[in-house]
Amino acid sequence: EVQLAESGGGLIHPGGSLSLSCAASGFTVSSNYINWVRQTPEKGLEWISIMYPSGDIYTAASLRGRFTISRDQSQNTFYLHITSLRSDDTAVYYCAVSGRPNRGDHWGRGVQLTVSS
Amino acid sequence: DIVLTQSPGTLSLSPGGRATLSCRASQSVSCCLGWYQQKPGQAPRLLMYDTDVRAPGTPPRFSGSGSGTDFTLTISSLEPEDSGFYYCQQGIHWPSFGQGTKVEIK
Repeated sequence: EVQLAESGGGLIHPGGSLSLSCAASGFTVSSNYINWVRQTPEKGLEWISIMYPSGDIYTAASLRGRFTISRDQSQNTFYLHITSLRSDDTAVYYCAVSGRPNRGDHWGRGVQLTVSS
Repeated sequence: DIVLTQSPGTLSLSPGGRATLSCRASQSVSCCLGWYQQKPGQAPRLLMYDTDVRAPGTPPRFSGSGSGTDFTLTISSLEPEDSGFYYCQQGIHWPSFGQGTKVEIK
């Protein structure tokens, strides 16, 4: 059974950085398309970044430079590193995996990130 | 970026009723349109992909149709557990979602 579990959220001050983790089980991270998506009441669901099995990375144009996706094959875990946090980064962040690009077949439960002073 | 516009915003129907949810794209998305269901406090769940293909575990009362810029998700006979938000999502270009339709079962 595919399972994804996010961790690393919380309350962060503006300008700070953090990494979100997504621990995977039931499949191999490096053989699938891994994704991060966030959701806010104001903007809805927003696709952040995708890593292909090849290692190729694509990130939403508006978020490039601050958001970085990565994976650790030995831990079967993938990450989202965010820098220069702003209040509008406040959202529930989901990790998702799929057998094809640009789709979310399986999702984690989500983790809340709040950016506030 | 491709903008997806969903209608109606809210659908209130009785159990056993038929729900028709619409999704219109700002430009053609060809085949690559999917639908997700989300319940409060939960992650989205993939229901349909490639317009009319049910994801594993999706009941047969859910069906998808459409092409180009206009797509429809139909729930043929509503069950109480079908309440929630439904989002369309395109994957032909950088992925984007519609703003959602809330389905209420009266």
